[in-house]
Amino acid sequence: EAGVVQSPRYKIIEKKQPVAFWCNPISGHNTLYWYLQNLGQGPELLIRYENEEAVDDSQLPKDRFSAERLKGVDSTLKIQPAELGDSAVYLCASSLWARDNEQFFGPGTRLTVL
Amino acid sequence: QQQVKQSPQSLIVQKGGISIINCAYENTAFDYFPWYQQFPGKGPALLIAIRPDVSEKKEGRFTISFNKSAKQFSLHIMDSQPGDSATYFCAASVYYGGSQGNLIFGKGTKLSVKP
Repeated sequence: EAGVVQSPRYKIIEKKQPVAFWCNPISGHNTLYWYLQNLGQGPELLIRYENEEAVDDSQLPKDRFSAERLKGVDSTLKIQPAELGDSAVYLCASSLWARDNEQFFGPGTRLTVL
Repeated sequence: QQQVKQSPQSLIVQKGGISIINCAYENTAFDYFPWYQQFPGKGPALLIAIRPDVSEKKEGRFTISFNKSAKQFSLHIMDSQPGDSATYFCAASVYYGGSQGNLIFGKGTKLSVKP
């Protein structure tokens, strides 16, 4: 069984540029999460989807961050415009149902903003 | 009150020794306590998890000890191996409304097991 797929794995951009990350969760998983992981820190939730619905986006900085999960499968996280402080690893995770809460993480996208 | 405090920040253990990582929490509504293991360049992976109705759970060389009154839980790695060298995160969440709530992660412990 394929795991959570994320792309790109690495991205380097200039500040004020837009950037997008893509996630393909494990087949059949209805809950999808986007996390931010700063160096030396634990993951912090940005947004959680159950199917197509964003059920918790309270930690998503909505002035510059947006996300979508069309058809309840793949998801895209976008930053526009990027700031220096956005440099981090962006992790995507999925779980079969939120009740199980065993989350399977992708390898992440390491973003560097210059 | 939503924080999970993890210690130590880093840990060096000799091969064959016991690695112990501790976590403390304040929110008594937390009812699910997993430990995740993360290797460089990889996402975290669930290692072992416990619910507060038991005080200990063991899976192979990995054991979670849970102290509800002290609001603490710990991960013990017996017979530590160089392949266990990774960053370990504790986490906690609350079950409500028919689903498990969001995981709150500790800051992580970088474990190095010396051969």
